[in-house]
Amino acid sequence: EVQLVESGGGLVQPGWSLRLSCAASGFTFSSYWMHWVRQAPGKGLVWVSRISSDGSTTTYADSVKGRFTVSRDNAKNTLFLQMNSLRAEDTAVYYCVRVKESGYAFDYWGQGALVTVSS
Amino acid sequence: QSALTQPASVSASPGQSITISCTGTSSDVGSYDLVSWYQQHPGKAPKLMIYEVSKRPSGVSNRFSGSKSGNTASLTISGLQAEDEADYYCCSYADSRRVFGGGTKLTVL
Repeated sequence: EVQLVESGGGLVQPGWSLRLSCAASGFTFSSYWMHWVRQAPGKGLVWVSRISSDGSTTTYADSVKGRFTVSRDNAKNTLFLQMNSLRAEDTAVYYCVRVKESGYAFDYWGQGALVTVSS
Repeated sequence: QSALTQPASVSASPGQSITISCTGTSSDVGSYDLVSWYQQHPGKAPKLMIYEVSKRPSGVSNRFSGSKSGNTASLTISGLQAEDEADYYCCSYADSRRVFGGGTKLTVL
């Protein structure tokens, strides 16, 4: 069974950093592109970033470029999102998402990790 | 990248059909047959319902169907059931990125 389990969320002050992790199981993690998608409280889904299966290619939304870094450890089946210089508008549930094999849609989602940025 | 445009809400009675539109631009929806649709119940993670405009993942009811014309994609749900009440989001590939719609709240009366 495919499972994606995020961790590392919490309450931080503006300007602080936080690193999210996503533990993957039930599939060959190293074969799949992975993404992060976030959802502010009561709001819609927003795409954040993506990383290729081997980690060599990354892409970011303009709103997080230069502040967030996506990475992965294929030996440990884990995806990361390093978030620096956090702002109040980064407050959201962050989902770790798998891309459908040979496709572009998101076929599996984690349960999400809540990040709250507030003083 | 601006969000795709969806109606904020739609409603219908059980057994009826509804269609949710998703309007983008020639840079996203209009350029790729890579629109997907997601269903999200309150407090839950989204679930893939349609991918590549009109394909259904295994396990998704054939009451759900998708289509596209120009810069607008559509999700149709026929034979509405109470459990279809949820938020629905479209998403398009856009030059290595993704762009979501603002979401549509479906109410089954």
